[in-house]
Amino acid sequence: EVQLVQSGAEVKKPGESVKISCKASGYSFNTHYIAWVRQMPGQGLEWMGSIYPGDSVTQYSPSFRGQVTISVDKSITTAYLHWTSLKASDTAFYYCARQYDYGSWFYPWGQGTLVSVSS
Amino acid sequence: NFMLTQPHSVSESPGRTVIISCTRSSGSIASNYVQWYQQRPGSSPTAVIFEDNQTPSWVPDRFSGSIDTSSNTASLTISGLMTDDEADYYCQSSDDDNRGVFGGGTKLTVL
Repeated sequence: EVQLVQSGAEVKKPGESVKISCKASGYSFNTHYIAWVRQMPGQGLEWMGSIYPGDSVTQYSPSFRGQVTISVDKSITTAYLHWTSLKASDTAFYYCARQYDYGSWFYPWGQGTLVSVSS
Repeated sequence: NFMLTQPHSVSESPGRTVIISCTRSSGSIASNYVQWYQQRPGSSPTAVIFEDNQTPSWVPDRFSGSIDTSSNTASLTISGLMTDDEADYYCQSSDDDNRGVFGGGTKLTVL
């Protein structure tokens, strides 16, 4: 079964760092893009960026470039989303999703990770 | 990059048919595949249509997708509406460099 399992909720203060993870299983990790998607409270889905695990080439939405870092550890088939200095406006659910093929659909999705940032 | 525009909300009665639109702001709607995702409260999104008009095996054939190049719009059609279809629906596409774009989402109410 193809599956993405994300790390648990994080509660942080502004200025702190955090790295959330997305563990993939059930398919060839190296040959499918992994995307990260933000959903702020009560809002829609926003594509943040993606990574191709085979060569770790990343793409970012202009809205998120320089704000987060996407990476992978192929040895443990896990993707990461990392912030070095959180803001209150980063409070949101974050989803990882496997992209089935270039330009194609996202399936499956992880269960989501809530990141809460408050002083 | 282009944007995808959806109606904020639609409502229809059980048993009827609803169509949710997704209009691309620039470039042809046919240039890149369009997907549709259903998201129920408290759950992750799941695909109901991929590659313009393909239905995942777990999705009932009451769901269908199409594109219209004359209006540069993709559409999700749900027939025989059921109360269980009540959810948020998002269209999604990617540009030629595989950067993703989501529509703003449409809240479907079945009443």
